[in-house]
Amino acid sequence: SQQGEEDPQALSIQEGENATMNCSYKTSINNLQWYRQNSGRGLVHLILIRSNEREKHSGRLRVTLDTSKKSSSLLITASRAADTASYFCATRSGNTGKLIFGQGTTLQVKP
Amino acid sequence: GAGVSQSPSNKVTEKGKDVELRCDPISGHTALYWYRQSLGQGLEFLIYFQGNSAPDKSGLPSDRFSAERTGGSVSTLTIQRTQQEDSAVYLCASSLSQGGSEKLFFGSGTQLSVL
Repeated sequence: SQQGEEDPQALSIQEGENATMNCSYKTSINNLQWYRQNSGRGLVHLILIRSNEREKHSGRLRVTLDTSKKSSSLLITASRAADTASYFCATRSGNTGKLIFGQGTTLQVKP
Repeated sequence: GAGVSQSPSNKVTEKGKDVELRCDPISGHTALYWYRQSLGQGLEFLIYFQGNSAPDKSGLPSDRFSAERTGGSVSTLTIQRTQQEDSAVYLCASSLSQGGSEKLFFGSGTQLSVL
């Protein structure tokens, strides 16, 4: 079964607005990562936040992590049409090497 | 290589046939992953290789699925006696090490269609 679950499943906004996606997970984690997938195939790594961090920024991206609630959020500010994609959170827990992905949020940014 | 390479990019096969999907990871990456993604769905973990350690096969859906990694580099995912429900995009990814913090680099995937 998948570790992470994203919410909402789909999000449609206007260019310039902010987009917020949430991720919940079930077990203790070492870190949480966010990936982006454009229509098509491969995923691209966006940002990683460690379990001892609460917030991290990268350009227009802001990620928060609440380990007490086992949840994370990804905020994209001043969205652009080019941000249209699916966004996935992924977690790696304990000593296991495998990275488990959530179901993803599909974001549509209308020009 | 410059990135993770997967071949073929598309594969159409008949139900009951065997297929082999190939993944060339980034040179020097010791960890290699296979995932499956059905249309509109998330990524389903299949198998994970790390160096010379025994692979984590916990995600393989049935004994029709197997994977190997030769010489710590190229990996082949084999699906025997394919079924229509095997139709999906199969994604390969590699990373520098298990480390715990290493990000994954993905290939473009193989779109498998079982008729």
